[in-house]
Amino acid sequence: GENVEQHPSTLSVQEGDSAVIKCTYSDSASNYFPWYKQELGKGPQLIIDIRSNVGEKKDQRIAVTLNKTAKHFSLHITETQPEDSAVYFCAANFGNEKLTFGTGTRLTIIP
Amino acid sequence: DTEVTQTPKHLVMGMTNKKSLKCEQHMGHRAMYWYKQKAKKPPELMFVYSYEKLSINESVPSRFSPECPNSSLLNLHLHALQPEDSALYLCASSQDQVLNTEAFFGQGTRLTVV
Repeated sequence: GENVEQHPSTLSVQEGDSAVIKCTYSDSASNYFPWYKQELGKGPQLIIDIRSNVGEKKDQRIAVTLNKTAKHFSLHITETQPEDSAVYFCAANFGNEKLTFGTGTRLTIIP
Repeated sequence: DTEVTQTPKHLVMGMTNKKSLKCEQHMGHRAMYWYKQKAKKPPELMFVYSYEKLSINESVPSRFSPECPNSSLLNLHLHALQPEDSALYLCASSQDQVLNTEAFFGQGTRLTVV
């Protein structure tokens, strides 16, 4: 079935430290893996994505890695700041039109 | 402009009311989506429109009726809702139906059914 598992559900890190969130997906045909950040009262905001033809992508303090063989991908945030506190969702496509989300990680940055 | 605009931001409606949620994008995207999000849960897909035609209905009850009047607009008509339908309703759009392009979300409509 269409399943994306995400861990951990909550994560607290000291400001300046790194945060890592991991997701696994069920469909080996999935080829697009975005990450969204959702702040309270707002819609999800795309922060980075990766496609199956690459293994890693970076954008300043944010990076995503993909292991197609193991069917898992991870979000890495370095030098965390208080404004990084939010709920983060991974997602994977199933077929051409469906984007299924992971269960979310509530990230808290401790000043 | 990467903005998806949803109106209203908040809506309270009774179980016998009829209301509509509206979504607009001017990015030239040809795929538009409705998602439902309950508190502390991920967004769940409801409908997908591709080139103004309904391409996916995720077995959504008929009290939710989507409409795509043109390539920039997406509506969700609501009728005879139940209190359990209270949620954040999110609209999203992407360049086309093939999900190798980014999907952008609106801020959502917070719906409360009383």
